[in-house]
Amino acid sequence: QVQLQESGPGLVKPSETLSLTCTVSGGSISSYYWSWIRQPPGKGLEWIGNIYYSGSANYNPSLKSRVTISVDTSKNQFSLKLSSVTAADTAVYYCARDRDGSGSWLDYWGQGTLVTVSS
Amino acid sequence: QSVLTQPPSASGTPGQRVTISCSGSSSNIGSNTVNWYQHLPGTAPKVLIFSNDQRPSGVPDRFSGSKSGTSASLAISGLQSEDEAHYYCAAWDDSLNGPVFGGGTKLTVL
Repeated sequence: QVQLQESGPGLVKPSETLSLTCTVSGGSISSYYWSWIRQPPGKGLEWIGNIYYSGSANYNPSLKSRVTISVDTSKNQFSLKLSSVTAADTAVYYCARDRDGSGSWLDYWGQGTLVTVSS
Repeated sequence: QSVLTQPPSASGTPGQRVTISCSGSSSNIGSNTVNWYQHLPGTAPKVLIFSNDQRPSGVPDRFSGSKSGTSASLAISGLQSEDEAHYYCAAWDDSLNGPVFGGGTKLTVL
């Protein structure tokens, strides 16, 4: 059974960079796409972007200028960096296996981690 | 405002059949497949339906999906208390060049 676990700071200051890592266990990160999704408090889900195990990434156009997603196949991990954060970036951040690379069919998810942007 | 429109809430009594709608446009539901998720707060979301009407192994056949034109529906029959959760639809959007989600429907089992 594939399992995903997000890790990283739960509090980030405004204007700084949010950094999260997703560790995949129970299966290889190879041959799949991997996505980041977030859910602001009281709001719906928003796709941030995804990455293929080879390193090719796609981003939500609304966040593209601030987002970088990378992969480390040797550690079975992929990571998210979101720069110049504001309070609007406060959300629960999820990582997920992206079954077809579209970002809409996500068959395994992490439990999510709350990231609060505040000074 | 979400690109895909879902009713914010739905309810039913145990044993009933409930339907949750997801309305979109020609650039998303009208030309791409729809996926449905169940989410209990504090837990990992779970895919219930993929490719409009396909159930992953382990998902009870009480859950079914359908699509017609620019709308899709998730039906839950034989409603159970453990079905109380938030439900989301999702699809690729050709105009936005990315996936879009519905705003979610909170299902209450009375």
